[in-house]
Order: sequence, then structure tokens, then C-alpha cells
Amino acid sequence: EAQVTQNPRYLITVTGKKLTVTCSQNMNHEYMSWYRQDPGLGLRQIYYSMNVEVTDKGDVPEGYKVSRKEKRNFPLILESPSPNQTSLYFCASSYQTPYSGNTIYFGEGSWLTVV
Amino acid sequence: GEDVEQSLFLSVREGDSSVINCTYTDSSSTYLYWYKQEPGAGLQLLTYIFSNMDMKQDQRLTVLLNKKDKHLSLRIADTQTGDSAIYFCAESYTASKLTFGTGTRLQVTL
Repeated sequence: EAQVTQNPRYLITVTGKKLTVTCSQNMNHEYMSWYRQDPGLGLRQIYYSMNVEVTDKGDVPEGYKVSRKEKRNFPLILESPSPNQTSLYFCASSYQTPYSGNTIYFGEGSWLTVV
Repeated sequence: GEDVEQSLFLSVREGDSSVINCTYTDSSSTYLYWYKQEPGAGLQLLTYIFSNMDMKQDQRLTVLLNKKDKHLSLRIADTQTGDSAIYFCAESYTASKLTFGTGTRLQVTL
């Protein structure tokens, strides 16, 4: 079954404590991306990756890091989380980029609260 | 930059048709999408339309695209309580991302 798996699904953490949200896809997709969803703002892209070792900033990259060492995994790293990073996070993947109309698969989301 | 706008809330009676509207600013968009998000769940792709099309129908869903006015709509026929969700429109203008609207919360009343 085609899947994008995120972990953890729910997390409450404290300001400044480094955390990683993992994302893994089983479809051999080249393109992966992270979004955050906030009320009234829709989804905004944080980072994306066109392929292994190729990553770039999205619209709201501040406070986040990513890596793409292998095709299936695209972890999101918060080195020093702050309360304004409290949000719902989605990982997405597709065979090629969204521009080509390929189906984009989303993970189920990770609810992150920073206190 | 590109911008996608939606109204925040829509309430309809069960059995009626729902029409969710979306406007976008970038005329270079190639694909426009509708996603559904149920409470506590991820995003489910409902349908998408290529920018050279005016209309696409898929069972109860009808997508209309007016490129001149940069207006996209999603019509849900015979709306059911299970259609209650947040609906996002999105466009793919650049090769790197989807640009999402703010989402429209559809409430279906009995």
C-alpha cells in the first residue's frame, strides 16, 4: 500500500529541546516536501527535496532543517523549538514535482506543541 | 507572489448542493487541486484540473475553472454529513510546491 508515514503523530515538547519528525515513503518518489498548517493560513511549505542530497527552502524555513540522505526518508529537524512552531506538520511526496500534475501523497500529519 | 484565497466557512443542508469557491492570482498555474481534510486526519486529494480545461466531473463532484477570472469552484451534489470537512484548493505554479488556500470549512446540517 502506498504510504507516507510520519512520526511522531503527536508531541508536546519544551522550548529549546531538539526534536526530529521523521517522514518515510514507500513509493520510490523523488520529490518530498514538508508543510505546516496553521488556522487561517492554510498550508505553507517549509522545505522540499527534488531528490537525494537535493534540498531547498520553501516559504517558511526559519527554525527548521532537513536532510535527504536516502530517497525514502526526509526528516524535519527543529534544533531549538519555540512556541511559534506549534503547528500541524505534513510530509508529502510525489513521483515528480507538483508542477507536472503527479499525484501528491500526504502523511497523516504530526501535531506538535512547544511549551 | 502567488496567492490563493477561499472563504473560511460554508454551511449547507443535507441533500443540497455545496459550492466552494477559490480565487488565485497566478495565471501561469498548470494544475489546480481540491483537497479534503476531515477532523484529525490528513489531506485527501479529491480531484484536480489541468489549466486548459474548463470543467471536470467526477461522480458528485464538479470542478469549474474560469481562467479569465482566475476562479476555481468545487460543487458537491447531494451533500451528505460525511462531506463535512475543510476543503483546500491548491495550485502548482512552480516546480517545487503547491500553494494552498486558507481552507473552507464545510458544515452540513440536517
